[in-house]
Amino acid sequence: DVKVTQSSRYLVKRTGEKVFLECVQDMDHENMFWYRQDPGLGLRLIYFSYDVKMKEKGDIPEGYSVSREKKERFSLILESASTNQTSMYLCASSREQGAGGDEQYFGPGTRLTVT
Amino acid sequence: GQNIDQPTEMTATEGAIVQINCTYQTSGFNGLFWYQQHAGEAPTFLSYNVLDGLEEKGRFSSFLSRSKGYSYLLLKELQMKDSASYLCAVRETGGSYIPTFGRGTSLIVHP
Repeated sequence: DVKVTQSSRYLVKRTGEKVFLECVQDMDHENMFWYRQDPGLGLRLIYFSYDVKMKEKGDIPEGYSVSREKKERFSLILESASTNQTSMYLCASSREQGAGGDEQYFGPGTRLTVT
Repeated sequence: GQNIDQPTEMTATEGAIVQINCTYQTSGFNGLFWYQQHAGEAPTFLSYNVLDGLEEKGRFSSFLSRSKGYSYLLLKELQMKDSASYLCAVRETGGSYIPTFGRGTSLIVHP
């Protein structure tokens, strides 16, 4: 059974803190993604990675960075958390890009609150 | 870039049929996905269309017309558990091949 796990379901951090969100997939997928989901705005892509040590900016990368040292793990880093980064963060994975119906498998999400 | 449009909210009655529309504008179409997301949970894959026509999967069907930039998700014999958000995502040719999501349609099924 396909599985994507995220390190925390709920997280509360202070403004200015460095925040790490971890994601692990057990499907040997090539691609991994980080999204944020906000009411009325839908899912917006922050960063993605199509291979180990490779990363590409999505639509809203400002204020974020990522790390992919191993195929199964993709980390999202908030260098200096701000209140406008309060959101639901969803990690996803898929097999090789552009390969037909390569649907994404999502983790349960991390609800981050920055105070 | 892409422009994806879905209704924000729909309501329907248990046992009925509901159609959720998705229209899109894209420079080069390369597939459309539908996902279901229950409140507080992860989106889960429902269907994928890349050619025109209807794909049926049990109570759920998805239709695509590439010339019209239009898709719909049809849910039959609605059940209370179908209350959820339904996300349309469109993939373009070229570039990263990553689908862009619409804002989702919140479906409320009432008795």
